[in-house]
Amino acid sequence: AQSVTQLGSHVSVSEGALVLLRCNYSSSVPPYLFWYVQYPNQGLQLLLKYTTGATLVKGINGFEAEFKKSETSFHLTKPSAHMSDAAEYFCAVSDWGGGFKTIFGAGTRLFVKA
Amino acid sequence: GAGVSQSPRYKVAKRGQDVALRCDPISGHVSLFWYQQALGQGPEFLTYFQNEAQLDKSGLPSDRFFAERPEGSVSTLKIQRTQQEDSAVYLCASSSRTSGSLGGELFFGEGSRLTVL
Repeated sequence: AQSVTQLGSHVSVSEGALVLLRCNYSSSVPPYLFWYVQYPNQGLQLLLKYTTGATLVKGINGFEAEFKKSETSFHLTKPSAHMSDAAEYFCAVSDWGGGFKTIFGAGTRLFVKA
Repeated sequence: GAGVSQSPRYKVAKRGQDVALRCDPISGHVSLFWYQQALGQGPEFLTYFQNEAQLDKSGLPSDRFFAERPEGSVSTLKIQRTQQEDSAVYLCASSSRTSGSLGGELFFGEGSRLTVL
């Protein structure tokens, strides 16, 4: 069965510092991997996704993530944090073995300090 | 608007009451999902529709939960005899893909926050 583990329910960084949000997944078949962001009182929106091909994927707002099959990881990074990046981030997985649905991790709340 | 619309945004119910939550997906989107998001948690899958067919309801927590999408567009999630543990945000998402969310983006509504007293 699919599952997603996000390490760290809260991450705090200073403005301008590197952002690293960790995600590990479990999937018995090649996965599709996603990062979604949720701002307060808003719905989730897609940051980036990995389906096939290049393992380093770039998303909106300067975020990127690298699919590492050997480590079953899909960590999210951004070189320089901005105050507007403060939000909740969810890693997610879907695959043919799990039917049509997407499974989400518990989320990591990112705090950005001035 | 062009996005996924959910109503009501906020609902307070007394324990034992029935509630109905509505989702209006993006026009033309074949796939529709309902998720439950408890405070401080990620979205948990409830059910999936492809057009009017409910292909997966494995996430519905009990037989008090019922979802329908009779004409393949608007969907309603109904919770009967609400309990305090039903308090959560209920998220609706849609996708243009016939294969659900496999490899594709889910478009989410803002959610319906249910509080059961």
